[in-house]
Amino acid sequence: DQQVKQNSPSLSVQEGRISILNCDYTNSMFDYFLWYKKYPAEGPTFLISISSIKDKNEDGRFTVFLNKSAKHLSLHIVPSQPGDSAVYFCAAVGNNDMRFGAGTRLTVKP
Amino acid sequence: DTEVTQTPKHLVMGMTNKKSLKCEQHMGHRAMYWYKQKAKKPPELMFVYSYEKLSINESVPSRFSPECPNSSLLNLHLHALQPEDSALYLCASSQPGRMNTEAFFGQGTRLTVV
Repeated sequence: DQQVKQNSPSLSVQEGRISILNCDYTNSMFDYFLWYKKYPAEGPTFLISISSIKDKNEDGRFTVFLNKSAKHLSLHIVPSQPGDSAVYFCAAVGNNDMRFGAGTRLTVKP
Repeated sequence: DTEVTQTPKHLVMGMTNKKSLKCEQHMGHRAMYWYKQKAKKPPELMFVYSYEKLSINESVPSRFSPECPNSSLLNLHLHALQPEDSALYLCASSQPGRMNTEAFFGQGTRLTVV
């Protein structure tokens, strides 16, 4: 039972453009959402998070949007850089229980 | 110090061996997690310890046995594993409670069962 879904396994974007990564969840008990970035053979690295009481959180080039009624969140990266190429995982937290989506592999082309 | 340290980085073990994975953090986090990640799959939650007590066990086979000896350490004892248990094992820590802060992950232990 996949409670957190990232339906796009891959995304390719030109350098300088916007990257939009999407995530959907089914469990309304989730109240905190995080994005992680992962390189091969490394552990996930925290990127940005958002609480369910907000609908937007911004940190430099990264912005996360949350639509609670749609149970949907997205990560915007503007402008995208080649160094952003990695796998991005969406994670949802409820009561000490963190669930990950399947990940989206982002490739930013120079 | 925002580091979660996992040892060893790589482990090859036979199906009859007993080994342990170790995880350590000194951030004062009181929730620690074990995740298993197979290639091209998301990390899957195995166990959660909150205040050194096991709070979540995601129906993990008994050949995996977690232990939290104190608030800084988390172990995963392995015994009689199967080749399909080969994966990247990730440890993470965070503050417990409903409004968790971000979890910090270790680099993982790459386990190969032969």
